Amino acid sequence: GAGVSQSPSNKVTEKGKDVELRCDPISGHTALYWYRQSLGQGLEFLIYFQGNSAPDKSGLPSDRFSAERTGGSVSTLTIQRTQQEDSAVYLCASSFNQGVYEQFFGPGTRLTVL
Amino acid sequence: LAKTTQPISMDSYEGQEVNITCSHNNIATNDYITWYQQFPSQGPRFIIQGYKTKVTNEVASLFIPADRKSSTLSLPRVSLSDTAVYYCLVGDAGAGSYQLTFGKGTKLSVIP
Repeated sequence: GAGVSQSPSNKVTEKGKDVELRCDPISGHTALYWYRQSLGQGLEFLIYFQGNSAPDKSGLPSDRFSAERTGGSVSTLTIQRTQQEDSAVYLCASSFNQGVYEQFFGPGTRLTVL
Repeated sequence: LAKTTQPISMDSYEGQEVNITCSHNNIATNDYITWYQQFPSQGPRFIIQGYKTKVTNEVASLFIPADRKSSTLSLPRVSLSDTAVYYCLVGDAGAGSYQLTFGKGTKLSVIP
């Protein structure tokens, strides 16, 4: 079956512009997660969705970051007024349910802010 | 969330067994131990998960001593394609848990 997909695979933007990153989870997975990975670093948790609601947004680095999920499926991570420190790979994962179930990761979106 | 400590890097020759040990002294009763593998330019991939004693699947084995303060991922007869970063994670399997805390992982380099 299809895995988690993310688009675009690469995004280059200028400082100050807004960007939208998309995640299509595995069908039937109720839990969806966003992570950020800077070069040579581990993954940094950003936000988690259970269905369409986000019980925990504490991982979002600033109020320039927001995310939504519609129909219990597709999720969009939006970064407003991008800064150079936002440059990283943004990874999306989904799992059958919350908890320590296996998380299936997408290939990521590499964001470069010039 | 329990903190984990694992070696930054390891080298191994092809065909050898590789053991990567992770320390998690503050592991809680409800915590499970999970290992992920990440290749360059890809998202992490689940390898194995366990609670205690030994777990084995087609890819690896996971050894967890009785005190659960550490765990060892064992990769039998590694090949060049096993070159990757391996992450040890500890998390609560209970309701409300969701966040996986990834450290920097162990970079395994398999040498021909």
